[in-house]
Amino acid sequence: GAVVSQHPSRVICKSGTSVKIECRSLDFQATTMFWYRQFPKQSLMLMATSNEGSKATYEQGVEKDKFLINHASLTLSTLTVTSAHPEDSSFYICSARDEAGANVLTFGAGSRLTVL
Amino acid sequence: GDSVTQMEGPVTLSEEAFLTINCTYTATGYPSLFWYVQYPGEGLQLLLKATKADDKGSNKGFEATYRKETTSFHLEKGSVQVSDSAVYFCALYFGNEKLTFGTGTRLTIIP
Repeated sequence: GAVVSQHPSRVICKSGTSVKIECRSLDFQATTMFWYRQFPKQSLMLMATSNEGSKATYEQGVEKDKFLINHASLTLSTLTVTSAHPEDSSFYICSARDEAGANVLTFGAGSRLTVL
Repeated sequence: GDSVTQMEGPVTLSEEAFLTINCTYTATGYPSLFWYVQYPGEGLQLLLKATKADDKGSNKGFEATYRKETTSFHLEKGSVQVSDSAVYFCALYFGNEKLTFGTGTRLTIIP
């Protein structure tokens, strides 16, 4: 079945630094990928929709300059948290839609970011 | 807008008990409905899905039926195991649009 790989699974960084998280579709092409953020004991909040070859579409309230999304190929989207602060600490999850399997989203295992 | 309302947790059951986690939705049109499971420290995994009214999704002993009349997609399992302890998310999805999640229900099964 479709597999989405996310890397790194855990990252700890200092306040003020930038962190990049990768999301790869391993065995299918994805023109659209989604980035979610999950706060402790809460549901997933959609941050943005990543579109291959074009700008990401951000949800209301999400700072596009802080959370940079790049979808340079049909199998890779990246989320860069710029100038990270402790409040950015969270669990970030990506998902991708298998073009051949409409209405089926596959999720990555998530990346836990801790900003000191 | 579209929304998903899930039974609030946490839910604690004894092993082999019957499980029901309620999920209702509000949507314009007929979305696809999903249950996702998140085990401790991991991302989400698709548990089951249904794409049209009266469809029944099933997997690993879990079942859910897409009820258009009651706009519901309740998750059930006849006999839960300790390994079923996780957070369960109900979600709806319209084609190219975003997946809308419920708030999640934390399930703990005690031996």
